[in-house]
Amino acid sequence: AQSVTQLGSHVSVSEGALVLLRCNYSSSVPPYLFWYVQYPNQGLQLLLKYTSAATLVKGINGFEAEFKKSETSFHLTKPSAHMSDAAEYFCAVSDRGTGFQKLVFGTGTRLLVSP
Amino acid sequence: SQTIHQWPATLVQPVGSPLSLECTVEGTSNPNLYWYRQAAGRGLQLLFYSVGIGQISSEVPQNLSASRPQDRQFILSSKKLLLSDSGFYLCAWRRNEQFFGPGTRLTVL
Repeated sequence: AQSVTQLGSHVSVSEGALVLLRCNYSSSVPPYLFWYVQYPNQGLQLLLKYTSAATLVKGINGFEAEFKKSETSFHLTKPSAHMSDAAEYFCAVSDRGTGFQKLVFGTGTRLLVSP
Repeated sequence: SQTIHQWPATLVQPVGSPLSLECTVEGTSNPNLYWYRQAAGRGLQLLFYSVGIGQISSEVPQNLSASRPQDRQFILSSKKLLLSDSGFYLCAWRRNEQFFGPGTRLTVL
């Protein structure tokens, strides 16, 4: 069965510092991988996704993630944090294919940005 | 463009009362639809999904049920709420990836 592990329920950075949110997946075959962001009391918004094209995926708001098969990782990074990046971030995995898609989510990482 | 609506936005209900949460999608047809629950301090748990009208699959046994009476309408229900049903309920639909609605905050007292 697929699973996702997000290391660190909370990550604190200063404004302008590097953001690194960790995600490791478990899957028998290379899966599709996603990062979503959730602002307080809102739904989830897709930041970026990996579907087997380029291993370095660029998303919205300056975020990017790199798929590393050897490490079974899909860490999310941003060179310089903004106050507006404070939110909860979820990594998710699904099987490949165009049929029914079941997303398995990690438990989330709350990003705190201090001035 | 496609939009997804959920209502109500917030709900406070007593234990043992019924529940009905509604989700509708506009701008697409025959979408895959999903209900998730997000409990405090936990990730998202898939509750139900539907690939078509009247077709509901349950991921976990629980106090809730789902129905899809129309192509773009997905309803989450309960006959008697439990305290453990409190949480943030999210509806989603899928094209190439899943798009989420704004959610419903349910508090059971």
